[in-house]
Amino acid sequence: GAVVSQHPSRVICKSGTSVKIECRSLDFQATTMFWYRQFPKQSLMLMATSNEGSKATYEQGVEKDKFLINHASLTLSTLTVTSAHPEDSSFYICSARSTGAYGYTFGSGTRLTVV
Amino acid sequence: DAKTTQPPSMDCAEGRAANLPCNHSTISGNEYVYWYRQIHSQGPQYIIHGLKNNETNEMASLIITEDRKSSTLILPHATLRDTAVYYCIVMGNNNDMRFGAGTRLTVKP
Repeated sequence: GAVVSQHPSRVICKSGTSVKIECRSLDFQATTMFWYRQFPKQSLMLMATSNEGSKATYEQGVEKDKFLINHASLTLSTLTVTSAHPEDSSFYICSARSTGAYGYTFGSGTRLTVV
Repeated sequence: DAKTTQPPSMDCAEGRAANLPCNHSTISGNEYVYWYRQIHSQGPQYIIHGLKNNETNEMASLIITEDRKSSTLILPHATLRDTAVYYCIVMGNNNDMRFGAGTRLTVKP
């Protein structure tokens, strides 16, 4: 079945630094990937839609200059949290649309802690 | 996107069937019903999806009412590992997937 690999699974960074999260589709090509954020005891919130070869589409209220998305190939999308602050600490999850029966496949998530 | 309504939490005894309801009264004709679950600190896992016919796979069964305004996910023999948050999502083709609050299922020994 379709597999999406997300890396790293856990990262701790200092306030003011930037962190890059990678999302790879391992056995299929994904022209579209999605990035979500999840705070404790809350549901997943869609942040942005990443399109291969074009600019990402951000949800209302999500700062595009803070959350940089690059979808440079059909199998890789990256989310960079720039100038991270403690309030950016969250669980970030990516997904990709596969053409098989599974619809959308999700990565295992990245837990970001900003100290 | 059509909205869905699910109970916030449910309990189920281990070995018994877990029946998770979902209301989606504003669903459109070309929208599918998807079910995913999320075990703590992991990414969501696909369970099953359907359009109007009932569906069954190795994980679960999906029962969709004839008017498509509601559905039920059935885990036939719940185990402790089925404890998770279950999300019912209604979505058309080429749409993005948006999550509601889901149902927190607790399977008890």
